[in-house]
Amino acid sequence: EAGVAQSPRYKIIEKRQSVAFWCNPISGHATLYWYQQILGQGPKLLIQFQNNGVVDDSQLPKDRFSAERLKGVDSTLKIQPAKLEDSAVYLCASSLEGVYYGYTFGSGTRLTVV
Amino acid sequence: TQLLEQSPQFLSIQEGENLTVYCNSSSVFSSLQWYRQEPGEGPVLLVTVVTGGEVKKLKRLTFQFGDARKDSSLHITAAQPGDTGLYLCAGDFGTDYKLSFGAGTTVTVRA
Repeated sequence: EAGVAQSPRYKIIEKRQSVAFWCNPISGHATLYWYQQILGQGPKLLIQFQNNGVVDDSQLPKDRFSAERLKGVDSTLKIQPAKLEDSAVYLCASSLEGVYYGYTFGSGTRLTVV
Repeated sequence: TQLLEQSPQFLSIQEGENLTVYCNSSSVFSSLQWYRQEPGEGPVLLVTVVTGGEVKKLKRLTFQFGDARKDSSLHITAAQPGDTGLYLCAGDFGTDYKLSFGAGTTVTVRA
């Protein structure tokens, strides 16, 4: 089966600019996650979707980050305006209902804010 | 937010040696997973453990889940350079199908 697709792979922007990341999960996976992974740390959950509804966005900095999942399939994560501390890898993952079978991650988008 | 602690943070060994990494939490896991992440890629699932005391083997990798379901270990026998990577444990605490990740152990196996 095809994996989780993410784009772009790399992005360099100046602080205060905006950026958007795209994710296409595995077909049939109802749950989609966006994680932020800062260098040297484990992934931190930003937002969790079940179909096209938000389950958990408690750690999403809503003053600058937004995310949507259209028609329960693709998802977009946006940052506006970006700060230096947003430099990280943004990982998208999807899963069947439940976590027992694990997440399938995309390769991530490496964001550098200068 | 549940906290998972992994140790050691870094591990560098010679090819052929054995290694063990640990994952601990103050909370009880419903299930626990181990992932390996290589540079420039997303984490890849290695194993899921569910039952306290459970031991699973995957070739040279042995995963153990503590009896109280608060800790886990990953043991690699006769490590090879291909085992190099970031090893992450991730816990499911039984709420809303989401995983909390530890900070990871960076393993380097020198040829």
